[in-house]
Amino acid sequence: AAGVIQSPRHLIKEKRETATLKCYPIPRHDTVYWYQQGPGQDPQFLISFYEKMQSDKGSIPDRFSAQQFSDYHSELNMSSLELGDSALYFCASSLGENTGELFFGEGSRLTVL
Amino acid sequence: AQKVTQAQTEISVVEKEDVTLDCVYETRDTTYYLFWYKQPPSGELVFLIRRNSFDEQNEISGRYSWNFQKSTSSFNFTITASQVVDSAVYFCALSEANSWGKLQFGAGTQVVVTP
Repeated sequence: AAGVIQSPRHLIKEKRETATLKCYPIPRHDTVYWYQQGPGQDPQFLISFYEKMQSDKGSIPDRFSAQQFSDYHSELNMSSLELGDSALYFCASSLGENTGELFFGEGSRLTVL
Repeated sequence: AQKVTQAQTEISVVEKEDVTLDCVYETRDTTYYLFWYKQPPSGELVFLIRRNSFDEQNEISGRYSWNFQKSTSSFNFTITASQVVDSAVYFCALSEANSWGKLQFGAGTQVVVTP
């Protein structure tokens, strides 16, 4: 069965650069969630979208923005990158906003040098 | 505010031993979900179980079993007859009503199984 696809899987950037991560949810899933997991940390919720509208927000820095497109894929844009942004970024999707059934992608590992 | 505590940072066992991972949670909601995820060294988050707050039945799935006790706000996870492939970080997580996708994870427990 198709899973959540994240790209790129690995990304290396310099400080102050910009990075964009993409997430393709499971077909027919209309809700996307973004999580950030720093080294040795637990995943932290960043933001979620339902039917292309932001539905919930967590501890997402102002330098980050995200959106969900008409085909339900989502992009997380990160600007003015800092060393502390180095992390594993997970995307998850679900069918409906409040089903409690999340399917996680394999993550995108961002390294900021 | 919701909170998940996994007091055990790391547990080391020898293959075939049983291992129990503790999870204690705090929430003001009466409706919530509890989860366990496995994160192997490769990094992906593997879903193991979801339990809603109204279902206190314990569950067994192969070598895995879960003990949900609302009275003590605990949702413990036991791996029976551990195997080397069980070596991973295990996260307990909680989500509340109307924010089901906003999981609050515990700090995780590193399980190391040696042959």
